[in-house]
Amino acid sequence: EVQLVESGGGLVQPGGSLRLSCAASGFTFSSLWMSWVRQAPGKGLEWVANIKQNGDEQYYVDSLKGRFIISRDNAKNSLFLQMNSLRAEDTAVYYCARMSLFRGAIDFWGPGTVVSVSS
Amino acid sequence: DIQMTQSPSTLSASVGDRVTITCRASQSISTWLAWYQQKPGKAPNLLIYRASSLERGVPSRFSGSGSGTEFNLTISSLQPDDFATYYCQQYNNYVITFAGGTKVEIK
Repeated sequence: EVQLVESGGGLVQPGGSLRLSCAASGFTFSSLWMSWVRQAPGKGLEWVANIKQNGDEQYYVDSLKGRFIISRDNAKNSLFLQMNSLRAEDTAVYYCARMSLFRGAIDFWGPGTVVSVSS
Repeated sequence: DIQMTQSPSTLSASVGDRVTITCRASQSISTWLAWYQQKPGKAPNLLIYRASSLERGVPSRFSGSGSGTEFNLTISSLQPDDFATYYCQQYNNYVITFAGGTKVEIK
């Protein structure tokens, strides 16, 4: 059974940092692109970043370039999102997701982890 | 960057209705268009990929059409389980963009 489980969310002050993790199981993690997508309270979906199978290529939404960093550890079947200089507008549910290049779409999502940025 | 827009933003319909949601891209994306369903408090679920291919396990009352810049998601006969929010998404050169979503409500 395919599973993606996010962790690391919580309350952080503006200007702070947070590192999200995602544990993957039930599929060959090292063979697939992975993604982070976020959803602010009451708002729509916003793609954050994609990372290639071996981690040597990353793509980001323009508005987050330089503050967020996506990475992965294939030996541990884990995906990460380092979030720096956090702002109130980064408050959202953050989803770890599996990307299918064949479909051009995300074919599996984790349940999400909540990040709240507030003083 | 490619921008995506969806219409309507809210749709009121009854069980059994045929429902169509439209998605437009700011430039041609061929058929690199996907549709998702999301229910409150849950992660989205992939319905359609490459504009018209039904994801495994998705009921056949869902269908997608279009190419280039204009796309449609059609639900042939709305069921109680279909009241949810629907998003379209484009894929281009490893970058993804979602549209703002359409909430399908009970009339």
